[in-house]
Amino acid sequence: DAGVIQSPRHEVTEMGQEVTLRCKPISGHNSLFWYRQTMMRGLELLIYFNNNVPIDDSGMPEDRFSAKMPNASFSTLKIQPSEPRDSAVYFCASSLAGEESPLHFGNGTRLTVT
Amino acid sequence: GENVEQHPSTLSVQEGDSAVIKCTYSDSASNYFPWYKQELGKRPQLIIDIRSNVGEKKDQRIAVTLNKTAKHFSLHITETQPEDSAVYFCARGSNYKLTFGKGTLLTVNP
Repeated sequence: DAGVIQSPRHEVTEMGQEVTLRCKPISGHNSLFWYRQTMMRGLELLIYFNNNVPIDDSGMPEDRFSAKMPNASFSTLKIQPSEPRDSAVYFCASSLAGEESPLHFGNGTRLTVT
Repeated sequence: GENVEQHPSTLSVQEGDSAVIKCTYSDSASNYFPWYKQELGKRPQLIIDIRSNVGEKKDQRIAVTLNKTAKHFSLHITETQPEDSAVYFCARGSNYKLTFGKGTLLTVNP
């Protein structure tokens, strides 16, 4: 089991540029979550997919953020255009269906927008 | 609401002492309460969890207690070791969603 795989590990970009973060969940897991972590706000849920379908995107900060899950083994989180306040660590996590299933986090992508 | 209040935000103990972290919540529908440990620069990892039909669970030096009536749950670490130093997050689960506390930075001094 390779765990949840995220890429890139680090991303440095200039304000206004498009950023795409990638995630491969654990095989067999049918729930996928994108979280954002900052010192000020802690771990925030951005969006949740179940069986590749977005169920709750109420945590997505604004229209600049979008997420897709075209198949069970891949998801992307896109920010366009990026802003300095988007700088954070973005975690992808997956679990088996059900609210009592443990979340398995990827190693995260540290995004810096200058 | 969905918030989880976690205290303290920082905790410093001597090696061998116990550490206790407490969380409170307000959503009565919450039924799953995991705890995650995050070392510096790494991902959060599950260390223990408890479900609403259980009052206490123990795994070696780690224990979690849950009081559903009072809506609070706690993490207890006994015989702390320097490698226990990390940020610990409580969370509560309801309707598939995990809501996390703000974290506790635990420092175990040798």
